[in-house]
Amino acid sequence: GNSVTQMEGPVTLSEEAFLTINCTYTATGYPSLFWYVQYPGEGLQLLLKATKADDKGSNKGFEATYRKETTSFHLEKGSVQVSDSAVYFCALLLTNAGKSTFGDGTTLTVKP
Amino acid sequence: DTGVSQDPRHKITKRGQNVTFRCDPISEHNRLYWYRQTLGQGPEFLTYFQNEAQLEKSRLLSDRFSAERPKGSFSTLEIQRTEQGDSAMYLCASSPGTGVWETQYFGPGTRLLVL
Repeated sequence: GNSVTQMEGPVTLSEEAFLTINCTYTATGYPSLFWYVQYPGEGLQLLLKATKADDKGSNKGFEATYRKETTSFHLEKGSVQVSDSAVYFCALLLTNAGKSTFGDGTTLTVKP
Repeated sequence: DTGVSQDPRHKITKRGQNVTFRCDPISEHNRLYWYRQTLGQGPEFLTYFQNEAQLEKSRLLSDRFSAERPKGSFSTLEIQRTEQGDSAMYLCASSPGTGVWETQYFGPGTRLLVL
């Protein structure tokens, strides 16, 4: 079956620190990959996506590269801010499939 | 605001009662999805529609759960004879329905608490 494994949290960083949240996947086909962010009390928001191997998704200073050889899609940011504090979900979607498969989420807290 | 909307945002009910949630997708989005999210977990797929047709249902969707999208626009999710284990956030998402890999846009969710 399909599955997504995320780095366990919570993750606590100081402002301006470097962030990496690991994500690996297992899929029966060739998926597209996503990172979603969920701020406290809000719904899921798409952060970035990549649809084929070696693609890099980027948004708001966050980046993730689709690595087919390691089945990974790690999220990185060079300098985090307090406002980045949220829960981050990695997800995959197979071609023409109705459902996304999500990881369990990683809680990030950034302290001033 | 042209995003996905859900109503109500919060629902408290007693065990054994029926509840119904509504989702309004982004205008002209043909696909509509329902997910359930419990505390500390990622969203789990429940079902999805292409227009008014329900194309896939998860085994998580027991006989007590029913979803409809009668006119291919808004959708309802009904839970009959609620149980405490049904307490969760119910998320709705929509996508255009015209592409191969499509971004799903999520609503704010309906948080259900069954006492």
